[in-house]
Amino acid sequence: GDSVTQMEGPVTLSEEAFLTINCTYTATGYPSLFWYVQYPGEGLQLLLKATKADDKGSNKGFEATYRKETTSFHLEKGSVQVSDSAVYFCALESGRRALTFGSGTRLQVQP
Amino acid sequence: GAGVSQSPSNKVTEKGKDVELRCDPISGHTALYWYRQSLGQGLEFLIYFQGNSAPDKSGLPSDRFSAERTGGSVSTLTIQRTQQEDSAVYLCASSLSFDEQFFGPGTRLTVL
Repeated sequence: GDSVTQMEGPVTLSEEAFLTINCTYTATGYPSLFWYVQYPGEGLQLLLKATKADDKGSNKGFEATYRKETTSFHLEKGSVQVSDSAVYFCALESGRRALTFGSGTRLQVQP
Repeated sequence: GAGVSQSPSNKVTEKGKDVELRCDPISGHTALYWYRQSLGQGLEFLIYFQGNSAPDKSGLPSDRFSAERTGGSVSTLTIQRTQQEDSAVYLCASSLSFDEQFFGPGTRLTVL
């Protein structure tokens, strides 16, 4: 079945540091890939997405590239801010319509 | 416009009782999903409704769980004879297109 594996947290960084959160997946066919973010006290929000190989999703300074050859969709940001502190979820959708999520990675950014 | 709303926001119940959780999707969204977010299991899919089609119930963990969607809008997730392992945050999402789902704030269920 489909599955998503992402790095365990928490990830603790200083403000303006470079962020990478690794995500790899197993799926049949060619899934769409997503990053969702959950800020403290808020619901899940779509951060970015990519629907085919080599697509790059981007939003709010975050980027992720759909790498079919390595079945990966790593999340990156060049300079994190305290306001980026949240839990980040990698997810895929492979025709079943429902999303398959990774376990989530908590990011803590210190001033 | 209004987002997905869920009620109650918190529910505390005793083991063995039945509970109903409600979801109001974004107006016009044809698809509605229920997920569960728990410490041990992460975020897991429960059930999916699309228009008038039969729901995809493949994620429901046991026959104590059921859901319905009336008039293609509001949905109710019912858990019968609750157990402590049912304690989790229950999330509802809706979508117009199949790829972007909009999530509600969730209902935190605690089974004592």
